[in-house]
This record gives sequence, C-alpha cells and structure tokens, in this order.
Amino acid sequence: LAKTTQPISMDSYEGQEVNITCSHNNIATNDYITWYQQFPSQGPRFIIQGYKTKVTNEVASLFIPADRKSSTLSLPRVSLSDTAVYYCLVGDYNTDKLIFGTGTRLQVFP
Amino acid sequence: DSGVTQTPKHLITATGQRVTLRCSPRSGDLSVYWYQQSLDQGLQFLIHYYNGEERAKGNILERFSAQQFPDLHSELNLSSLELGDSALYFCASSVARDRAYGYTFGSGTRLTVV
Repeated sequence: LAKTTQPISMDSYEGQEVNITCSHNNIATNDYITWYQQFPSQGPRFIIQGYKTKVTNEVASLFIPADRKSSTLSLPRVSLSDTAVYYCLVGDYNTDKLIFGTGTRLQVFP
Repeated sequence: DSGVTQTPKHLITATGQRVTLRCSPRSGDLSVYWYQQSLDQGLQFLIHYYNGEERAKGNILERFSAQQFPDLHSELNLSSLELGDSALYFCASSVARDRAYGYTFGSGTRLTVV
C-alpha cells in the first residue's frame, strides 16, 4: 500500500478556496486516490475518488498530475461546516482494506 | 443516515468484561470493515469480511474477534476489556471491488471501559 503524506493541519476563512495536497510517491499502477472527510465523533465520509487528471463532483475537485505522485483536494468557498479532518488514501480495492493516515485537520474561521 | 447501522451507540463497561458490537451494512453491500479510533492512534483497521468470509486482518488483538453472518450483518466481540480499549469503533461497508463509491461508514459505537 502506498504511503501518503499530507499536512497535519490547515487554517482557512469562510468563502476561501482550500487546497489540500497529498504526496504518494510510491503509488502503484492499479491504485486509486480517495479522499474522506471526518467530523468529530462521526464516521468518515467519502468525498471523491480519482485515478488521473481531474475529477469534480458537487462537493470538491481532485487534481492528479500526470506522474500521479501527488494529488490535491480542492474545496471551493469553504464554510464553517467544512471544519473537519480530511484523509487521503491510496490503494487498489483488491487489497481488501483501506489504511488511513493521520489526515489533515482543517479549521475554518469566520 | 449513511445506511450503515451500528448498535449500540454508547457502551460503558468494566475492565475484564466482554461486549459485542453490531453492524448492519448498507443494503446490497457484501463487505464489512471494522475500524478502531482512539485519541492517540487515529483510525486503525481491524478486520474485513466479505460475504461471510474473513478477507483481511489488521492490528486486531487476540482478545477481539469478529464474524459476518449469512444475512451480512457483522459482530465485533471484545473480551477481557482493558482501559486502553476505550475508543470509537466504526463499521464500514462496500460493494467489494466497486471503485466508484468507496466505503460507507456507520456512526460508530463509543466504548468506554472503566
């Protein structure tokens, strides 16, 4: 399983765009990149998943460069309710498990 | 409501006791995963069952065991409980090898060992 590295914490203000970058230098050919969001005392929630280039859904965008050694989760116009821990995971679902790292704690201020 | 149901939501018990945590996966999901989250350890993968069979094990203690029943619900049994077992225990489900949607987590069971 590829190891991921992401910032421990980030601060932002309401209305700003937040970009959280994750490094995964040892990503394998079959690996997908998945991001989860977790609020205190709640289970993680799937945000977005991608393999290469750009993926966008109603919540976020995921940018993956051609070498796939990193990825960036982009949250447009954050609000206070986006304050949470964001996890970047890399793996092939055939591995039968997803390993969570320490995540990035995002704090959004008014 | 994520569709994954965990019971009970809270559990307080004494050291040395045994408890059972229950998880009902989302309708149609064949895989169930158990995770432990304590303050100093983050989310730790414990075990994965697919359609009744154990598929992967993480750092699960020998005092812990799990199973998945024919109706696909799963139980995590924790015995000889210690203070350090106090944590949030999450269950997640997925359609195995469905790369589009990821895991769906339940709201967890908060276990407090006193």
